[in-house]
Amino acid sequence: SQTIHQWPATLVQPVGSPLSLECTVEGTSNPNLYWYRQAAGRGLQLLFYSVGIGQISSEVPQNLSASRPQDRQFILSSKKLLLSDSGFYLCAWSVRGHAETQYFGPGTRLLVL
Amino acid sequence: AQSVAQPEDQVNVAEGNPLTVKCTYSVSGNPYLFWYVQYPNRGLQFLLKYITGDNLVKGSYGFEAEFNKSQTSFHLKKPSALVSDSALYFCAVRVRSGNTGKLIFGQGTTLQVKP
Repeated sequence: SQTIHQWPATLVQPVGSPLSLECTVEGTSNPNLYWYRQAAGRGLQLLFYSVGIGQISSEVPQNLSASRPQDRQFILSSKKLLLSDSGFYLCAWSVRGHAETQYFGPGTRLLVL
Repeated sequence: AQSVAQPEDQVNVAEGNPLTVKCTYSVSGNPYLFWYVQYPNRGLQFLLKYITGDNLVKGSYGFEAEFNKSQTSFHLKKPSALVSDSALYFCAVRVRSGNTGKLIFGQGTTLQVKP
């Protein structure tokens, strides 16, 4: 069966520090991968998605970047964190197709102080 | 613009009573609709989806949803609520983007089931 991992689970970082969040998927090949941010426990905002290694689409201009160095690895990064980067970051994967369901990881809680 | 609306921030029901969480959508073409549930500090769990076919879709944990094309709605239902159903529920619609699909989520509805 497929599983998705995210780490760390919780992170507290000072403003201006770098960031690296990792997401890996097991049990599937060539997944579509997604990064979302959830602010204040409510709506989800799609940040990036990827349909293959090295292929990244950005949804909103921001202080963050994403990379996909391997088929089942998706990384969210920042060179300098802002206070507004605080939130709950969720990674998701889906099988490629016309009606694919997205399956979410456990999330990373980021607090920027 | 393609969108999803969940008109209720919170729904309160008594345990054992039926529950409904509302969702309406606006999308061009045939909609692909999803429901997810989120427990505190956890990721989203997939409950069910509508792609085509029978308008009544059955999903996990006894939940079901009814697709109504004329009312552009996809309300989530359960005949008998449990206290453990208390959580945040999201409706989503899939929109195409290039060679993949993206989900647009509603703002979420908090379901509170009281004993």
